[in-house]
Order: sequence, then structure tokens, then C-alpha cells
Amino acid sequence: NAGVTQTPKFRVLKTGQSMTLLCAQDMNHEYMYWYRQDPGMGLRLIHYSVGEGTTAKGEVPDGYNVSRLKKQNFLLGLESAAPSQTSVYFCASGRDFGQLNQPQHFGDGTRLSIL
Amino acid sequence: KQEVTQIPAALSVPEGENLVLNCSFTDSAIYNLQWFRQDPGKGLTSLLLIQSSQREQTSGRLNASLDKSSGRSTLYIAASQPGDSATYLCAASGNTPLVFGKGTRLSVIA
Repeated sequence: NAGVTQTPKFRVLKTGQSMTLLCAQDMNHEYMYWYRQDPGMGLRLIHYSVGEGTTAKGEVPDGYNVSRLKKQNFLLGLESAAPSQTSVYFCASGRDFGQLNQPQHFGDGTRLSIL
Repeated sequence: KQEVTQIPAALSVPEGENLVLNCSFTDSAIYNLQWFRQDPGKGLTSLLLIQSSQREQTSGRLNASLDKSSGRSTLYIAASQPGDSATYLCAASGNTPLVFGKGTRLSVIA
């Protein structure tokens, strides 16, 4: 029972490089989310998706793009990495925003350092 | 806009003590209130989910309460153990993605 799987777990980039973080869930969830977690800032929502082919901006979307081409996958892209994007990134999935009273499931995170 | 606050930011207690973690939210129009646990270097694990129509939810030594009218939830941990050391986050679920508090970092000293 894999749940939510994030790839890679760690990555170091140089400023200006690009990369894609992959999130995969095997629970047939419609809703998926990308958060970043920074010391003292808590969890902040970057982008989210309410179904295959849909995406929406969260609280801190600048510098990131996302795609949801398949229901089980949600990709987070950094086109030109900046040191301010050094963070721990978490992916999550759920059946909805909470109407069905089912908890949200999280991956173990990707630790990204931008030099 | 929903805002969630957790007090205290950090808490250190001796093993065996009972303790309470606090969570407050500004918009009472929620579906539920969720409590998560986060261990260092790990993701979030769901502990308890209290539906808006409920007052309490229990799991083992954990008991969560919800008072929608006052915008408050508490997580009560009985007979704390060193293995309870972690960061505890609460999150409010409404008609938008979950809104999280910044968490309470708990240390239980043996």
C-alpha cells in the first residue's frame, strides 16, 4: 500500500537550473496538492488540482508550474530555480476538500536545495 | 479567509504528564478539523479528524475536541511518552484546500 510517493527524495540544484518533482498516488483520489514547508512559515499551498487536467494556484504559486495529465500523477516544475525555492516540498492527495470527512494523505517530502 | 493558529509553538514536558495542544480558527464554516503528526524529516500522518457536527474524537491516548462556535480545537494527550515527541499540526477543512496552523513542537523528556 504505497499511498503517496514523491520522487526524488533529495536534490541539489544550481541557480537557474530546471527540474520536475513527481507525485504519484494509488488511492484513486481526485484532489492533489503541492505544499512547501519552511522553518517558521508552516505549510504553504503552491498549486492544487481537483481532477485530471485541472490545476489551480494556491498561496505561493510564483516560480512554479504544475500539470495533472493523469489522475494518479501531479507534477511540480521549477523552470529557473532560485535560492528562495530551497525548501521541503510535500505532495498530498484526498477525495475532496473535506466534504466527505476523509483525511488528506501526504508523501514523505522532497528536500530541495538551490545553490 | 481562514486563518489557523496554534499555541504554544513549542512544549517540553516530563514523561507521564497529560498535556493539551491548542488550535484556533477564524472561520467557523468548516467541514472538519484535522490533527496531524509530523516526525523530523517525514511527512504528515493523520491522527484524528473531527467532523463539524462532532464535539470529540478519540484514538487511544489521544482525544480531540471541537467547539465551532468559539473557533477552537484541542488535542489532549494522556500519559505522554518519549515516542510522542513530534510536531503536531491542525488544519481546518472548508470549501477550499486545507488551511494549516504552524504547529506545536512537542518534546517528552524521559
